[in-house]
This record gives sequence, structure tokens and C-alpha cells, in this order.
Amino acid sequence: ETGVTQTPRHLVMGMTNKKSLKCEQHLGHNAMYWYKQSAKKPLELMFVYSLEERVENNSVPSRFSPECPNSSHLFLHLHTLQPEDSALYLCASSQERARYNEQFFGPGTRLTVL
Amino acid sequence: AQTVTQSQPEMSVQEAETVTLSCTYDTSESDYYLFWYKQPPSRQMILVIRQEAYKQQNATENRFSVNFQKAAKSFSLKISDSQLGDAAMYFCAYSSGGYQKVTFGIGTKLQVIP
Repeated sequence: ETGVTQTPRHLVMGMTNKKSLKCEQHLGHNAMYWYKQSAKKPLELMFVYSLEERVENNSVPSRFSPECPNSSHLFLHLHTLQPEDSALYLCASSQERARYNEQFFGPGTRLTVL
Repeated sequence: AQTVTQSQPEMSVQEAETVTLSCTYDTSESDYYLFWYKQPPSRQMILVIRQEAYKQQNATENRFSVNFQKAAKSFSLKISDSQLGDAAMYFCAYSSGGYQKVTFGIGTKLQVIP
């Protein structure tokens, strides 16, 4: 595996379900991000982890719970979601304090909440 | 807060022709980075080109070039000799700060007509 991978690629869940999204980066980066991408809206930054510590939480509802057990893995735990949470969830990684801090993105998980 | 504005929701270009995508941003910072990302349909978002604010010279990557006007806070992307594979959503992005939080525009959908 190379780059940033995300599983599953597609997820359909009911409002009472609990599921988790997984992200793994194989680039040796030390910062990881969760974004929400909805149609006709800018990418919304949800969470940022730098050196495995959460450094940003952009007023995200508590039904989204991130976890970063190490610098290569990032999870997004989902529970009691709402239909408006249906979106493409993108994971990204970067090397903090690198000159450009280019963010490398995963393919995303297309989430549908029924 | 930084904002990024892309005023063209959709653009089209004939194959082999040139197209320019517009982007403006707002910031009070003097040192920052600007990016153009490409997101093909159902594929990963990738970096197309980057520009450092302190550099006056416009960045160029093969058929992709930018017109960076710092005073006007404008950062447009020019695609020359457009190819079918250039069809995608293009996102303008701005970055500054310790862990380099990135602010994205709403995107421009580019259609390439054979």
C-alpha cells in the first residue's frame, strides 16, 4: 500500500448504528486530518492530529469521535448520525513544519445515513 | 479568518485549448502558501501546483501555471493544451500556521470537450 488509504470506500448506515472509518498513511507523516466534503460546499476541516495529539476540533458534533492511536492510523467513530451527515469523508496527512506542508489525501469514504 | 473564493462553479474548455480558473483569497498574513488541488471523478484529490507568497515568480508545472497577484489577493490557474484527463473538480486552497491548516474554496468543475 502506498500513500493514504481509507476503508471502507462506501458505507450505508442507519441512524442508530455505530460504525468506524479507518485511515492509514504510509508516508511517514506526523499530522493527520479528517475533512467532510459535501456538494456545493467547501471542504470542512473536522479534526487535526499532530504528533498523535488532537490540535483542532472544529465544533464537530459529539456523534463524531476521532481516534489517533499512532502517527500512521486515524479513525473516525460514528454513532447516532443524522441524514445530513451523509457526505464524502476525506482523510489527509502531511509532514508538520515541512516547507510546504502539502496535504496528501485518501480516496474518501462515501457515507450515506438512512 | 482566511477565506478562499472560487466564483466559477463550472467551466468548460475544448480539448487542446487553454482555460483559466479564478481564485481570490482574503488574509492578513504576509507569509503563506497557495495551492491548486485536482479531484477527478471518484478519484483521490491530488496537488496540481503550489505557490509561496514571498516568491514573485509564478509557479509552473508542465501544462499548469498560475497567475499570482499578491496585492490583489488573486491566484488563478491556467491549463494549457487541455486534455480529457484534466476533467475534474479543481480546488483553490490557502495555508499558513504551525500545523498548516488549509482553507479550501468551493471548487470549480472543469469539463473538457473532445
